[in-house]
Amino acid sequence: GNSVTQMEGPVTLSEEAFLTINCTYTATGYPSLFWYVQYPGEGLQLLLKATKADDKGSNKGFEATYRKETTSFHLEKGSVQVSDSAVYFCALRDDKIIFGKGTRLHILP
Amino acid sequence: DAGVTQSPTHLIKTRGQHVTLRCSPISGHKSVSWYQQVLGQGPQFIFQYYEKEERGRGNFPDRFSARQFPNYSSELNVNALLLGDSALYLCASSSEPGGRTDTQYFGPGTRLTVL
Repeated sequence: GNSVTQMEGPVTLSEEAFLTINCTYTATGYPSLFWYVQYPGEGLQLLLKATKADDKGSNKGFEATYRKETTSFHLEKGSVQVSDSAVYFCALRDDKIIFGKGTRLHILP
Repeated sequence: DAGVTQSPTHLIKTRGQHVTLRCSPISGHKSVSWYQQVLGQGPQFIFQYYEKEERGRGNFPDRFSARQFPNYSSELNVNALLLGDSALYLCASSSEPGGRTDTQYFGPGTRLTVL
């Protein structure tokens, strides 16, 4: 069946560092891919998405490229801020949506 | 514009009781989905409704049920509560009935604690 695997956290970085959170997926079809962010005590916010191979999703300085050949959708940001501290979820959508377990990100000032 | 709203925000129940959670979608959205998020895990899909019809169901027991009303709001009901039902219950709305391009927008969730 379909599945999503994310790098385990927590990930701790200093402000202005480069961020990569790895996400790989297994799917029998051609899913859409998503990154969601969850701030403490809140629901999930859609961060970005890509619906087909080689698409790049971007928002708020974050980017991720749909790589069919490596079945990956890694999240990147060139310079993180303290306000980026949150839990990030990678997800795929085919007939239903499947989430990874989440990666907690801590940014130190 | 208002986003997805859920009520109540917090709820405490005891084992064996039942609970009803409520959700109002984004204006114009006709689909509502429900998810269970256990602490430290990603959300797990429970149900999706579109135009009052069930369009998808996850691997949850029959104690979980839901319905959608003509105004597209939705209720999630859980009977015979177990300790393991303690979780954050998330509602999401979308404009499509499902499928790979369906983008879900989430509410703040209802935190259910079962004692």
